[in-house]
Amino acid sequence: QVQLQESGPGLVKPSETLSLTCSLSDAFISNYHWGWIRQSPGMGLEWIGYMHYSVGATYNPTLRGRVTISLDTSKNQFSLSLTYVTDADTAIYYCARAGFYGSLFADSWGPGRLVTVSS
Amino acid sequence: VLTQSPATLSLSPGERATLSCRASQSIGYYLAWYQFKPGQTPRLLIFDASNRAAGIPGRFSGSGSGTDFNLIISSLEPEDIATYYCQLRDFRPSLTFGGGTKVEIK
Repeated sequence: QVQLQESGPGLVKPSETLSLTCSLSDAFISNYHWGWIRQSPGMGLEWIGYMHYSVGATYNPTLRGRVTISLDTSKNQFSLSLTYVTDADTAIYYCARAGFYGSLFADSWGPGRLVTVSS
Repeated sequence: VLTQSPATLSLSPGERATLSCRASQSIGYYLAWYQFKPGQTPRLLIFDASNRAAGIPGRFSGSGSGTDFNLIISSLEPEDIATYYCQLRDFRPSLTFGGGTKVEIK
């Protein structure tokens, strides 16, 4: 089973951009979805979005306009960019894979990265 | 909207655990269950309402369709202490999680 690992800054200032990277233990397989889920005390678990190599991106409507997920197949990585963050974006961010079972449910997860939004 | 109940479930080892997840409108079979343990990577248990993911013990089972779904742990083991979340997929597609049920050992 593929292993995923999040990396990136643990502290981001309000109004700035949150950027995280997910590194894979294996090469990308084009028929999976790759994306992000976050967990916060206030909002609970929240799906952020997925990117598929050929289908494109699907984002949570509540975050659309601020979020971008992109794939870098040459580095076996994908990334999350979330602009204009506020303290409501403080959360544990998980990267995940979906599609192993032909659905959009996350069948593999990273261990999570805590990101705090604070000045 | 997904509503999970109870919020907390306290049971003795060997007892049967029934966790409930109710959707505000019919979603067919597009529901999954996950297990979250502190300090561990989250794990997919059940997809499409009743299908066990690879490597998941047989004591875990899922049932339901439409708006009412259950996750059943037939005989609770100490390692099953965790918070369990359901997740639905709708037509857009968008995915939504429930608020979780925390399972404790009595």
